[in-house]
Amino acid sequence: GAVVSQHPSRVICKSGTSVKIECRSLDFQATTMFWYRQFPKQSLMLMATSNEGSKATYEQGVEKDKFLINHASLTLSTLTVTSAHPEDSSFYICSARGQTSTDTQYFGPGTRLTVL
Amino acid sequence: EDKVVQSPLSLVVHEGDTVTLNCSYEVTNFRSLLWYKQEKKAPTFLFMLTSSGIEKKSGRLSSILDKKELFSILNITATQTGDSAIYLCAVGSSSNTGKLIFGQGTTLQVKP
Repeated sequence: GAVVSQHPSRVICKSGTSVKIECRSLDFQATTMFWYRQFPKQSLMLMATSNEGSKATYEQGVEKDKFLINHASLTLSTLTVTSAHPEDSSFYICSARGQTSTDTQYFGPGTRLTVL
Repeated sequence: EDKVVQSPLSLVVHEGDTVTLNCSYEVTNFRSLLWYKQEKKAPTFLFMLTSSGIEKKSGRLSSILDKKELFSILNITATQTGDSAIYLCAVGSSSNTGKLIFGQGTTLQVKP
């Protein structure tokens, strides 16, 4: 149980284009989903918290107009990197939490974004 | 400011050795401490600890929490090369709306 999928696993795009990443909880309903970014040899950096049916809460320093998050259902959240630039190249990971009574988050396999 | 600190940052051992990874925290309204293992992709869940002194065990891995001294340890006995990974410690707080605060991680390399 508690499987989270992420798609695509890897994407290469040109500078200026937008990229959408999907995060799905496959066998449970995720009341909350989280989006992280991870640089090489570093820990996870939380970008935003997404609750189904409401606006995402962004961490300080994260541009909400650049990283658009939509959590349209209890099993799907999307992150769109708009007008991507090479500095946006990174490993993006989503996680999902089922019940609000637990802190356990289950992570998707991640998306490697490379912006040329 | 809430923080989670792991030590050591990296560790190299040989197969069969026992390792102890440390995680200390200063978090307002502590609720839980979680351990994750990250290999090449995203982290996989190992343990969640909420009560002091109760050991959680899964095979060769075990973990315990000390809420008085604000730390946790993750033990791995009889290490294998497949244990090579980054081990992440994270803390949840009741004042943080479900967010986890992650430590820097400990990179473990197990040599044959």
